[in-house]
Amino acid sequence: DADVTQTPRNRITKTGKRIMLECSQTKGHDRMYWYRQDPGLGLRLIYYSFDVKDINKGEISDGYSVSRQAQAKFSLSLESAIPNQTALYFCATSDTWGNTIYFGEGSWLTVV
Amino acid sequence: KNQVEQSPQSLIILEGKNCTLQCNYTVSPFSNLRWYKQDTGRGPVSLTIMTFSENTKSNGRYTATLDADTKQSSLHITASQLSDSASYICVISLGNNNDMRFGAGTRLTVKP
Repeated sequence: DADVTQTPRNRITKTGKRIMLECSQTKGHDRMYWYRQDPGLGLRLIYYSFDVKDINKGEISDGYSVSRQAQAKFSLSLESAIPNQTALYFCATSDTWGNTIYFGEGSWLTVV
Repeated sequence: KNQVEQSPQSLIILEGKNCTLQCNYTVSPFSNLRWYKQDTGRGPVSLTIMTFSENTKSNGRYTATLDADTKQSSLHITASQLSDSASYICVISLGNNNDMRFGAGTRLTVKP
């Protein structure tokens, strides 16, 4: 089984719809992240969480929200999806020292 | 302007040849520098991690170098294989390791 599992792997949704991307990890790590990857750009941080009670905005948090339901689960929501949120989304996890980041397989989201 | 610039954007080489990918960065304070390999449609996987005091780090046929004075890093791939075809991403960690800046990546294609 993968260390970091994302669902769904692919989703097409309509403008204005709410969509949730889910992430779970088996590494036992405290830190979890959501990133967005667009062609020609580096991964950009949307939100991160250092533990269940800790949620922090990243570089591009507008239009997104997150929920840390448990140490192993971190979900990303688009409250009202818009076309420029079409991208590849990655969940990641790391230990307390952040020495190695483990990424999920990615979730392709298309907003039409 | 991206604070982590990678070059070239893309590179095609023949199997068995060596190649070197470049990463220049302007961000500070510098904590560590990582190189990741990202296969198409997959999440990035860590290759090397270096602190500012390290000049070189190897992982099999991959060797990363770092010059913290000039803020440059390189990733050298020796005796390339078809499986090396992927994007290679340079990542700079700032301060407490949760703030990372990603390069856009170099897309490497190894042809037989």
